[in-house]
Amino acid sequence: SQQGEEDPQALSIQEGENATMNCSYKTSINNLQWYRQNSGRGLVHLILIRSNEREKHSGRLRVTLDTSKKSSSLLITASRAADTASYFCANGGGSNYKLTFGKGTLLTVNP
Amino acid sequence: EAQVTQNPRYLITVTGKKLTVTCSQNMNHEYMSWYRQDPGLGLRQIYYSMNVEVTDKGDVPEGYKVSRKEKRNFPLILESPSPNQTSLYFCASSSDRDTYNEQFFGPGTRLTVL
Repeated sequence: SQQGEEDPQALSIQEGENATMNCSYKTSINNLQWYRQNSGRGLVHLILIRSNEREKHSGRLRVTLDTSKKSSSLLITASRAADTASYFCANGGGSNYKLTFGKGTLLTVNP
Repeated sequence: EAQVTQNPRYLITVTGKKLTVTCSQNMNHEYMSWYRQDPGLGLRQIYYSMNVEVTDKGDVPEGYKVSRKEKRNFPLILESPSPNQTSLYFCASSSDRDTYNEQFFGPGTRLTVL
């Protein structure tokens, strides 16, 4: 079963605005990862935050992790039309060394 | 260029006709995995492999087979495809399995079973 849940399911913003997506998970994690998927294409890894970290930055991306609430957030600052994609969180730490994905947030950035 | 390749990218077939989707990675990764992506269900793991000759079932293995005879290749086999296997399939690979590092995904194979 899917254990990650992204919120919101869809988000539409104007270029230049910030976009915040949230993710909740149910089991313990080794790390939490965020991926981007352009329509019908392969997933691209964006950022990984380990269970002992609380915040991480990469370019315009900022990820936070709250293990007490079993939640993470992804902030994209100064969004661009090219950021339009689906964003998935993935729980890294389950059995089988697999990633357990949420169902994703569809982000639309309007020019 | 480091990459995961899949072939074919698109396939339309009929029920019962055996097919193989190939997956190859050039990063010398030990770990490889197959996922399927369906609307409303997200990505679900089908099979995975920790190394050559080591494979195991994921969450939705029914109707699929895999093999790992070489480190770089991890084909997905559908012996008798059915319409409920119509989906978007992704192969992924990863190194350093002890720390659950990032996975590298192929471009996807869109399969339609009529």
